Amino acid sequence: DARVTQTPRHKVTEMGQEVTMRCQPILGHNTVFWYRQTMMQGLELLAYFRNRAPLDDSGMPKDRFSAEMPDATLATLKIQPSEPRDSAVYFCASGFSPGELFFGEGSRLTVL
Amino acid sequence: GQQVMQIPQYQHVQEGEDFTTYCNSSTTLSNIQWYKQRPGGHPVFLIQLVKSGEVKKQKRLTFQFGEAKKNSSLHITATQTTDVGTYFCAGYNFNKFYFGSGTKLNVKP
Repeated sequence: DARVTQTPRHKVTEMGQEVTMRCQPILGHNTVFWYRQTMMQGLELLAYFRNRAPLDDSGMPKDRFSAEMPDATLATLKIQPSEPRDSAVYFCASGFSPGELFFGEGSRLTVL
Repeated sequence: GQQVMQIPQYQHVQEGEDFTTYCNSSTTLSNIQWYKQRPGGHPVFLIQLVKSGEVKKQKRLTFQFGEAKKNSSLHITATQTTDVGTYFCAGYNFNKFYFGSGTKLNVKP
């Protein structure tokens, strides 16, 4: 069964620490999205890659967040320094845009 | 900017009652997708609508795409406890998916 894999599944860290979340998209998919989900904001688009090229990261706080796709099998989302308001579930999704998106199980981040 | 609004935010129904969630976009969409997220889970794709006025059915679920391709609805007939979860619409435009805020459905047995 092809699936999107995200690590870590859970992360608890202290304010000011660096956090890196990783995503392995489904092999062959040409688009990768990073979404953040909180109770208040629903699913918020952070970044979007097509064929590994970043197309849009306008939803991402650029001073502390960065997203990269070093190769076709890995997408990363980094927060440095982390803040309590970054606490959320971060989802990675891949697909053949504009078709179905396949979501990973998410990385639940808690910043104390 | 592009916005996709979804109502209602919450819906509580008795098992067997019908349920509808509505999605409205500020601009014309290329297509619209619907996803279901079970509590504690991740969004799972349900369906994609592409054509103006399109209607698709999946068992008890009926999906509609408006004539102007700016609104959509999901209707569930005779809800069951297995329908519990949050339903999201996602409008596609300008190479991006814009998710609605979701409708959280609770079904009382």
